[in-house]
Amino acid sequence: DAGVIQSPRHEVTEMGQEVTLRCKPISGHDYLFWYRQTMMRGLELLIYFNNNVPIDDSGMPEDRFSAKMPNASFSTLKIQPSEPRDSAVYFCASSSARTGSYEQYFGPGTRLTVT
Amino acid sequence: DAKTTQPTSMDCAEGRAANLPCNHSTISGNEYVYWYRQIHSQGPQYIIHGLKNNETNEMASLIITEDRKSSTLILPHATLRDTAVYYCIVRVGNQGGKLIFGQGTELSVKP
Repeated sequence: DAGVIQSPRHEVTEMGQEVTLRCKPISGHDYLFWYRQTMMRGLELLIYFNNNVPIDDSGMPEDRFSAKMPNASFSTLKIQPSEPRDSAVYFCASSSARTGSYEQYFGPGTRLTVT
Repeated sequence: DAKTTQPTSMDCAEGRAANLPCNHSTISGNEYVYWYRQIHSQGPQYIIHGLKNNETNEMASLIITEDRKSSTLILPHATLRDTAVYYCIVRVGNQGGKLIFGQGTELSVKP
């Protein structure tokens, strides 16, 4: 299995621009998570989906952030407009109810820099 | 989910056992202890989890005290590649849902 795939791996953009991060979960997994990591705040959950339905978006910072999961094999996290404080590493993770332990498998992350 | 307390950093000699402690004194009966680690510039990696019995897999062993208020992750023969931040997380399991990461323990394995 290829694992969780994220793209792009690095993104540099200017303040005010729209940014779209992409994630392909492990095939067969029914949970998908978006996390953000910064030096100041550590790793924090933004939103997670179960069977393509958003379950908990309480970690989404504000209306500038939105996430979608149109099907079981694809999700996007969009920031519009982007701000310098959005600079962070964004991780996507997936898990499966079938394992019984629900361990999460993380992608390599997207390093976002907003100038 | 219960809070956890871990030392900020630890050192371990290569080839020796690394014992990483975690306190979770407010853990509830239906909460599991999960361990993840994050090697520099990579995504977190699941290691092991348990409820009350000791657990072992190919990566590590997990020892949970009888009162479940603390646990220890054991890497039996640490290598340089085990240098990472180790996170102890307590959550209701087994079920899907978010992980709440603390600051973790930065383990440095030295030659």
